Amino acid sequence: GNSVTQMEGPVTLSEEAFLTINCTYTATGYPSLFWYVQYPGEGLQLLLKATKADDKGSNKGFEATYRKETTSFHLEKGSVQVSDSAVYFCALSKAAGNKLTFGGGTRVLVKP
Amino acid sequence: DTAVSQTPKYLVTQMGNDKSIKCEQNLGHDTMYWYKQDSKKFLKIMFSYNNKELIINETVPNRFSPKSPDKAHLNLHINSLELGDSAVYFCASSPQAAMNSGNTIYFGEGSWLTVV
Repeated sequence: GNSVTQMEGPVTLSEEAFLTINCTYTATGYPSLFWYVQYPGEGLQLLLKATKADDKGSNKGFEATYRKETTSFHLEKGSVQVSDSAVYFCALSKAAGNKLTFGGGTRVLVKP
Repeated sequence: DTAVSQTPKYLVTQMGNDKSIKCEQNLGHDTMYWYKQDSKKFLKIMFSYNNKELIINETVPNRFSPKSPDKAHLNLHINSLELGDSAVYFCASSPQAAMNSGNTIYFGEGSWLTVV
């Protein structure tokens, strides 16, 4: 079946540091890939997505590139802020019904 | 205006009670979902409805019964609540579901259910 694996947290960084969260997936064919973010006490928000190989999704300074050859969709940001502290979820969609399969989430804590 | 809204946001109830969580979307989407997030933040789909018709039921106990009176609403009713039902329940919606769909799924803010 489909699955998503992402690095376990928490990831603790200082402000302006570089952030990478690794995400790999298992699925047949070509899934669509997503990053969602959950700020403390809030719901899930779409951060970015990519629907085909080599596509790059970007939003709010975050980027992720759909790598078919390595089945990966790593999330990066060049300079994090305290406000980026949140839990980040990698997910894929590839099934009738548009079902999302989520990774386990990675908590990121950015310190001033 | 909130695109996907669910109520209540917080619910504390005793074991054995029956409770409902309501969800409404004003995005004009055809497909709605319920996801469950456990205490370890793990997210998993429970149900999906397309135009009021059930299309995904992920081995959820039959104490959980979704109801979709129209395509803008998907309510979740839970009978005989158990301690293990404590979780955050997210409602979501997307444009019409399709095979290999890249449609974005929009989530509500979650309903924090605590069973004591």
